[in-house]
Amino acid sequence: EVQLLESGGGLVQPGGSLRLSCTASGFTFSSYVLYWVRQAPGKGLEWVSAITDSGGRTYHADSVKGRFTISRDNSKNTLYLEMNSLRAEDTAVYYCARGVGLDYCDYWGQGTLVTVSS
Amino acid sequence: QSVLTQPPSVSAAPGQKVTISCSGSSSNIGNNYVSWYQQVPGTAPKLLIYDNNKRPSGTPDRFSGSKSGTSATLGITGLQTGDEADYYCGAWDNSVSAGVFGGGTKLTVL
Repeated sequence: EVQLLESGGGLVQPGGSLRLSCTASGFTFSSYVLYWVRQAPGKGLEWVSAITDSGGRTYHADSVKGRFTISRDNSKNTLYLEMNSLRAEDTAVYYCARGVGLDYCDYWGQGTLVTVSS
Repeated sequence: QSVLTQPPSVSAAPGQKVTISCSGSSSNIGNNYVSWYQQVPGTAPKLLIYDNNKRPSGTPDRFSGSKSGTSATLGITGLQTGDEADYYCGAWDNSVSAGVFGGGTKLTVL
């Protein structure tokens, strides 16, 4: 059974940093593209970042480019999202998802809440 | 403002049919596959349709997808109260090298 478990969310002050993790099981981790997608309270889904199976290529939304970095450790079956210079508008539930190429996400985690507030 | 445009809400009676549109451009829907996701409030999104019109195992055949040019449509027949959820379309966008979603459509089964 494919499982994705996010962790690392919490309350952080504006300008602060946070690192999210997503631990995967039930599939060959190193064979899949992985994504971060977020959802602000009461809002729709927003694509954040993606990373190829080897980690050789990464993609980020313009809204987080230069502040967020996606990475992965295939030896630990873990996906990361390093978030710096956080803003109030980054407040959201952050989901990790397994990708089939860059086409779609077939499995999603339950999400971790990040709140940016003073 | 989402890159892909969806109606904010649709509604229909149980047993009826509803369609949800998703409009984009040549840089996303026009040249890439479209996927659809169902999200019951308070839960994670779930893949409903991929590659424009394919259903993963577990998606009932009451759900269908289609694409024409720079627009896509999700169709749901035989509506059930359990279909009440938010529905999102998604695609890759070549111009920004990033994924994009629609703003979401809330389905109400009256």
